[in-house]
Amino acid sequence: GQQLNQSPQSMFIQEGEDVSMNCTSSSIFNTWLWYKQEPGEGPVLLIALYKAGELTSNGRLTAQFGITRKDSFLNISASIPSDVGIYFCAGTGANSKLTFGKGITLSVRP
Amino acid sequence: DTGVSQNPRHKITKRGQNVTFRCDPISEHNRLYWYRQTLGQGPEFLTYFQNEAQLEKSRLLSDRFSAERPKGSFSTLEIQRTEQGDSAMYLCASSFGQGDYTFGSGTRLTVV
Repeated sequence: GQQLNQSPQSMFIQEGEDVSMNCTSSSIFNTWLWYKQEPGEGPVLLIALYKAGELTSNGRLTAQFGITRKDSFLNISASIPSDVGIYFCAGTGANSKLTFGKGITLSVRP
Repeated sequence: DTGVSQNPRHKITKRGQNVTFRCDPISEHNRLYWYRQTLGQGPEFLTYFQNEAQLEKSRLLSDRFSAERPKGSFSTLEIQRTEQGDSAMYLCASSFGQGDYTFGSGTRLTVV
């Protein structure tokens, strides 16, 4: 089946730094979504991408839908302590099913 | 609209008991999805509805699991004869078409 690869499993950065997360797939996706999840809560949508090459920003977050439709990245600029959480990429293929990566746990040192 | 609502937030049950979870989607969303998430993993697809029709079920959804969306609004997920391996967070999401998927806060099931 379709799989999304996110690595590393954890990232540690200093407050104020920028961080970039990548997500790759061996198959083509039609949409890419980035979610953030905090303990005990459901994933919260950060950015949705619908076209290959699309670059979208949401405040300090920027994400791009790769030209090949097999990858996407998320950038967080000027990180703050509340950016801590698990960041998931997710995508849909030919059907409506949303496939998730395993997530990256982000820690921000003050 | 208050978003996707799931009840209960937490459920502890003894092995062998039946449990039922409820999801109330965003009112104008026609699609509703159930996912399961275990520790350290991303959510895994279980099943989805378009209006009242259940269109796809994952192989993860054994015959002890059943989901309904009788009037195309709220949905229930029932697990019969629960096993310890069923312990997980059960997430519901809704969307309008293939638009943005909005998740609820989930139901945390613990089978003891």
